[in-house]
Amino acid sequence: KQEVTQIPAALSVPEGENLVLNCSFTDSAIYNLQWFRQDPGKGLTSLLLIQSSQREQTSGRLNASLDKSSGRSTLYIAASQPGDSATYLCAVSSGGSNYKLTFGKGTLLTVNP
Amino acid sequence: EPEVTQTPSHQVTQMGQEVILRCVPISNHLYFYWYRQILGQKVEFLVSFYNNEISEKSEIFDDQFSVERPDGSNFTLKIRSTKLEDSAMYFCASSWGSDTQYFGPGTRLTVL
Repeated sequence: KQEVTQIPAALSVPEGENLVLNCSFTDSAIYNLQWFRQDPGKGLTSLLLIQSSQREQTSGRLNASLDKSSGRSTLYIAASQPGDSATYLCAVSSGGSNYKLTFGKGTLLTVNP
Repeated sequence: EPEVTQTPSHQVTQMGQEVILRCVPISNHLYFYWYRQILGQKVEFLVSFYNNEISEKSEIFDDQFSVERPDGSNFTLKIRSTKLEDSAMYFCASSWGSDTQYFGPGTRLTVL
């Protein structure tokens, strides 16, 4: 059974700092890995998708890496801003042919002005 | 940009009542999903739907739950007899295949 763990559970940084969020998963037989952002009481916004054959993806100030063999992914946020404050969720797609996602519990990021 | 929509945004019901949560997935997507998130907990997979049938369901998705795609655009989740522990945020998602899953804004279900 796939398990996804995210470290740290919470992170508070000053504005402008670069930061790294970590995600690990137990079963390396994945189709892809997605990073999401969730604001309080809101839905999930997809940030980046990395297919299992890829090593990294970039979108603006975000860069996600994937090491499938070791079951790890990182989300790097450059030059953090207060608007980046949210919960960041990692999810892996694995098992069967339906691409269901297994989520971690998330990292609550607070960027202080 | 196409998006997944869900109605209602908030549903309050009495224990034992039936509720239907509605979703309109992105129009050219082939895979449809329901997930739920109990307050303070992980987002959990409930069910996936492909080619007009359930392709996988979790242990949570017992006989009180059902899904339908009645008209080629809507995708519904029915809970036949709600329990207090069904209170959660329910998310619908869709994808074309093994690519990005797009999530709706969610329906907050409160069972009293």
